Amino acid sequence: NAGVTQTPKFQVLKTGQSMTLQCAQDMNHEYMSWYRQDPGMGLRLIHYSVGAGITDQGEVPNGYNVSRSTTEDFPLRLLSAAPSQTSVYFCASSYTRYSSGYNEQFFGPGTRLTVL
Amino acid sequence: AQKVTQAQTEISVVEKEDVTLDCVYETRDTTYYLFWYKQPPSGELVFLIRRNSFDEQNEISGRYSWNFQKSTSSFNFTITASQVVDSAVYFCALSEPYGGATNKLIFGTGTLLAVQP
Repeated sequence: NAGVTQTPKFQVLKTGQSMTLQCAQDMNHEYMSWYRQDPGMGLRLIHYSVGAGITDQGEVPNGYNVSRSTTEDFPLRLLSAAPSQTSVYFCASSYTRYSSGYNEQFFGPGTRLTVL
Repeated sequence: AQKVTQAQTEISVVEKEDVTLDCVYETRDTTYYLFWYKQPPSGELVFLIRRNSFDEQNEISGRYSWNFQKSTSSFNFTITASQVVDSAVYFCALSEPYGGATNKLIFGTGTLLAVQP
């Protein structure tokens, strides 16, 4: 198993450019999510999905779009990048929690994005 | 609303010292999970521990120990005899309660631990 993979690892954009951060998992996890990490802010939830075709907003969704056409992939789109979106982005996945207990969340290695 | 506070922004210790990282949380839920993650300089997030709200027993794993106290809404992390390899940012996190479909995590702002040789 590759676990949770993210591409690219590093990216530099100019203001106004668009791009897609890729996230894929091979564990058949229903739940996937995106977080951003900023200095002094910890990690904050951007968007999440509980299954193919279902997405919802997290704490800081503005400026980002997501879609979930397959169980494996959960791309994060920046339609018009802004310097405020300079951050490290983490994707995570897990089984859902319909059963009792907790299903461990697996994090990808992160994508470091700089918007000039 | 749920919130996690890590008041210590940075801590610097000398190798072999013991160090405690504080975590205070707020939630109105009666059932929840608490976590600690380590982020070494390489940047990945490393899961350290999960504790559910029903289990207040302290836990020890090698040089690591955790003290969970519901009465004070705290989940503190102690490293005994610190080593240079412990240098990292440590995050405390809180999950939403049982029964939900999502695994949303609310993270604290992190504590940067620097262990000097």
